[in-house]
Amino acid sequence: SQKIEQNSEALNIQEGKTATLTCNYTNYSPAYLQWYRQDPGRGPVFLLLIRENEKEKRKERLKVTFDTTLKQSLFHITASQPADSATYLCALTNTGNQFYFGTGTSLTVIP
Amino acid sequence: SAVISQKPSRDICQRGTSLTIQCQVDSQVTMMFWYRQQPGQSLTLIATANQGSEATYESGFVIDKFPISRPNLTFSTLTVSNMSPEDSSIYLCSVEDIFYNEQFFGPGTRLTVL
Repeated sequence: SQKIEQNSEALNIQEGKTATLTCNYTNYSPAYLQWYRQDPGRGPVFLLLIRENEKEKRKERLKVTFDTTLKQSLFHITASQPADSATYLCALTNTGNQFYFGTGTSLTVIP
Repeated sequence: SAVISQKPSRDICQRGTSLTIQCQVDSQVTMMFWYRQQPGQSLTLIATANQGSEATYESGFVIDKFPISRPNLTFSTLTVSNMSPEDSSIYLCSVEDIFYNEQFFGPGTRLTVL
């Protein structure tokens, strides 16, 4: 069966540290993978996209890696801030432009 | 980017009734998507709605339960029919920016079925 799994537990880190979130998938062949942020009571907001032929993508304090052999993406937030506290979702997109979301990871950055 | 609005923002409904959720986009888009997000869960794709054709439903979702309309390129509705408490969820619509391959989401409709 198809699965998209993220960190199974909530992640708590100290302000200033790097947060690393994982996204593992099985039985998908994604054309690209995306990361979204979702705050309580709101819809997800797009952060980054990485394509199947890309290894790494950066945007300000965010970095995403994509390993199609391991079927895994890592999402890093460097110099984390309390404002980064949210739920982060990975999403896979196949060639049919349908999006499938992971289970989500709740991140709390402690001041 | 796209700005998406949904109506209603929340509703409390009785078992056996139906609710129609509206989704309005500020620009013309080819594909619109409807998701369900149950409490504490991630998003599950219900269906993809293309203008001028029938919606494409994901496994586990059927047209009789979740009829969708897509009368033009800026608007869609999702109806949750014959509701039960298990339908209590947040329902979100989204559109895709094909050029940048990112999705924009509406604020969601929080549905509670008693």
